[in-house]
Amino acid sequence: ETGVTQTPRHLVMGMTNKKSLKCEQHLGHNAMYWYKQSAKKPLELMFVYSLEERVENNSVPSRFSPECPNSSHLFLHLHTLQPEDSALYLCASRGTGKNSPLHFGNGTRLTVT
Amino acid sequence: GESVGLHLPTLSVQEGDNSIINCAYSNSASDYFIWYKQESGKGPQFIIDIRSNMDKRQGQRVTVLLNKTVKHLSLQIAATQPGDSAVYFCAENEGDYKLSFGAGTTVTVRA
Repeated sequence: ETGVTQTPRHLVMGMTNKKSLKCEQHLGHNAMYWYKQSAKKPLELMFVYSLEERVENNSVPSRFSPECPNSSHLFLHLHTLQPEDSALYLCASRGTGKNSPLHFGNGTRLTVT
Repeated sequence: GESVGLHLPTLSVQEGDNSIINCAYSNSASDYFIWYKQESGKGPQFIIDIRSNMDKRQGQRVTVLLNKTVKHLSLQIAATQPGDSAVYFCAENEGDYKLSFGAGTTVTVRA
């Protein structure tokens, strides 16, 4: 069982909807990440939070809005998405130090219709 | 652009044989590398990591080799089993927070 839990596992939304993805980590880590995984492409880093402060914002469109209320929870708020935003959205956490691995959740499969 | 990549997108291996998955990286300043395994419907799972002050590291049935001269990373899986069928990614540290991933190699184990 992963120490990083993502909900929902699957989400279908229309382009005018507003929805949120949730991530919770039970590993005591200080950093949390959002990645986007599309077919046939490498994982794309979207956002990084360290101690609840955003430290990386990888030129992500403003229709994606992250929120990190504490070191255990991370949200990705979605609004007016496009069909090309359909993908697997992965959350990960990381302990102290840059030479440590990310621990991933199982992702939310998002389909935008 | 992508700084980490894999030589082959797919690998078919006979059950019981050894598998070798290759990865090339471009940033000579990278000092930490990781291999992940991703099964269908799941997130990437950590397999093994290596720091740049090492050439080789072994785990259970897996070995990672790092050749800094040619900027090459490989993952060797001994006695490949059906449960090893998955997509394998190498990843490279960039800066304090960012981890960059290659496109992945899909490994299929033949019975």
